[in-house]
Parts: sequence; C-alpha cells; structure tokens
Amino acid sequence: DIQMTQSPSSLSASVGDRVTITCRASQSIYSYLNWYQQKPGKAPKLLIYDASSLQSGVPSRFSGSGSGTDFTLSISNLQPEDFATYYCQQSDTAPRTFGGGTKVEIK
Amino acid sequence: EEQLLESGGGLVQPGGSLRLSCAASGFTFSSYAMNWVRQSPGKGLEWVSAISGRAAGTYYADSVKGRSTISRDNSKNTLYLQMNSLRVEDTAVYYCAKDRGSSWTPGNWFDPWGQGTLVTVSS
Repeated sequence: DIQMTQSPSSLSASVGDRVTITCRASQSIYSYLNWYQQKPGKAPKLLIYDASSLQSGVPSRFSGSGSGTDFTLSISNLQPEDFATYYCQQSDTAPRTFGGGTKVEIK
Repeated sequence: EEQLLESGGGLVQPGGSLRLSCAASGFTFSSYAMNWVRQSPGKGLEWVSAISGRAAGTYYADSVKGRSTISRDNSKNTLYLQMNSLRVEDTAVYYCAKDRGSSWTPGNWFDPWGQGTLVTVSS
C-alpha cells in the first residue's frame, strides 16, 4: 500500500496568515493527489483534485501543487472558517490511502 | 443538489452483522462509482470499499475483504455495505462518497460525502 505522510500534524495560525501543509507519498503517484477539509462532526469536503485543480465553489485562497511524491496545500489569507483538519489522499493505486491529517488551529 | 444519506449504523456485538445503506439523490446514480470510507473515533480516514456504476467491479480494503460485501440497487438509487464477522476495530463512522465517474479508475476523487452513520462494535 502507498503510505501518505502529512506534516505537520498540527499547526497554530492567525487569521490572515498563509499556511502550507505538506504531503509525501511513499512512491510516485504522478498527480493523483486530492485534498479534503474536515470540520468537527462533519463529513470531509473535497478542496483540490489532481494535485492542483480547485473544486468548484472552493475559495481561491486554497491552492495545491506538486507531483511525483511531494505535494503541498497552501491557504493564503487564512479565514476563521478555515480552521479544520486537512487530509491528503492518493488516487493512483488500490487501496486508496489518506494522510494522517493536519489540524489547523487558531493561535 | 447532490445528496447522500447513510443509515443502518448502530451497536452490534463482536461477530455480528450489519447492513449499511446510502440513499443518493440529485444525480444519475447509475453513472457513478460509489465508495465507503470510515473514520474511527478521533482517528483519520480509511477507504473501505468501492463499486463501479453498473456494479461490474467491486473493490475492498484488506481490512474488510472477505467479511464485507458492497452492492448497489440502481433502481432505488441506493448503495449498500453488508458487514459480517464484525470486530471491535470496525467501530467507526462510515461515510458513503460519490466517485468521479462510472468506473473506479486512477485519478478519481470522492465528492460529495454523506453525513455518516456510526457503527459501534462492543460487547
């Protein structure tokens, strides 16, 4: 199975900050990388697919980049509603696997 | 609006069985593969199973293979997950999620997700 490693596991930031989350795959997954946001008690929500494509309706302050094994999710001008847990997920091979999550907390 | 609504969760003893359902609306159900993803309390996400739009292909995580069966009834716009020989470690919120297309292929993604149904395996 492809292992997905996210870092950091948590971070504290202030409204207006720019934050970057890293996701590393244990082998090349080309650009088959998706990002999800999950708020407490809610289902995950797709933010980015194919490493850098913004899902319809997602604010443009979210962006993704990377290919191969190293990927990043960036959030510019952090808003109060962005405090949540973020997961990466590879869609190259079965089983689909997720990173362990990055919790973005208010500083 | 695309919507998914899971049901069927509950408390079950180890070794027991449960059938989860996911009712879909707002899209042509038969045109999309569907997935089950679970999340243990306070933990991360684990993909469990998937089925193609016409049910020609089914896929399972090793953790549930041989104990679970995914199926769908396209006439009822409903996805199912039959879980047998349940273990304590199967305790989780189970989400259904719509796939990108009709076949379960590389480059897919999960969107949208249902609100989840809680399965608790305990004696």
